[in-house]
Amino acid sequence: KQEVTQIPAALSVPEGENLVLNCSFTDSAIYNLQWFRQDPGKGLTSLLLIQSSQREQTSGRLNASLDKSSGRSTLYIAASQPGDSATYLCAPLGKLIFGTGTLLAVQP
Amino acid sequence: SAVISQKPSRDICQRGTSLTIQCQVDSQVTMMFWYRQQPGQSLTLIATANQGSEATYESGFVIDKFPISRPNLTFSTLTVSNMSPEDSSIYLCSASTDREAFFGQGTRLTVV
Repeated sequence: KQEVTQIPAALSVPEGENLVLNCSFTDSAIYNLQWFRQDPGKGLTSLLLIQSSQREQTSGRLNASLDKSSGRSTLYIAASQPGDSATYLCAPLGKLIFGTGTLLAVQP
Repeated sequence: SAVISQKPSRDICQRGTSLTIQCQVDSQVTMMFWYRQQPGQSLTLIATANQGSEATYESGFVIDKFPISRPNLTFSTLTVSNMSPEDSSIYLCSASTDREAFFGQGTRLTVV
């Protein structure tokens, strides 16, 4: 059964800092992995999709890596901004199981 | 990418009644899922909606309480039956292809 863990559970940083969010999963038989953000009271917005054959994917200030064999993914956010404040969730694709996410607050 | 329409977006219901939530995808998808998200919590998978057959429920969720239909590749419904205040939550529909997943905006349910 797939289990997803995200570390840290919460993170508060000053604006401009670079930061790393970590995701680990127990079942490496996945085909892709997706990172989402969720703003309070809203649905999920897809940030990045990493195919299982890729090791990383970039979109603007976001870079996600995937090490499928070890069951790990990281999301790197460069030059953080207050608008980045949200909950970040990773989901290995197969059956979509989520961990508890990382609640990020970027202080102006 | 796929666009998911979920209805209603919110509702306030009396205890003991039932509410059916609809999820419509604008393109064919492989899998559809239903989640519950309680205040301050992450998403908990209720079930996988299977086309033309009974849904596959996760531990702690049962068909009598959360009947699910998926008559075709692009549409699914979740019913929350015999509601109690403990069912107050956000319910989210998700759909995935072999490549990626998409989410509706959710249904905010309040049971009074």
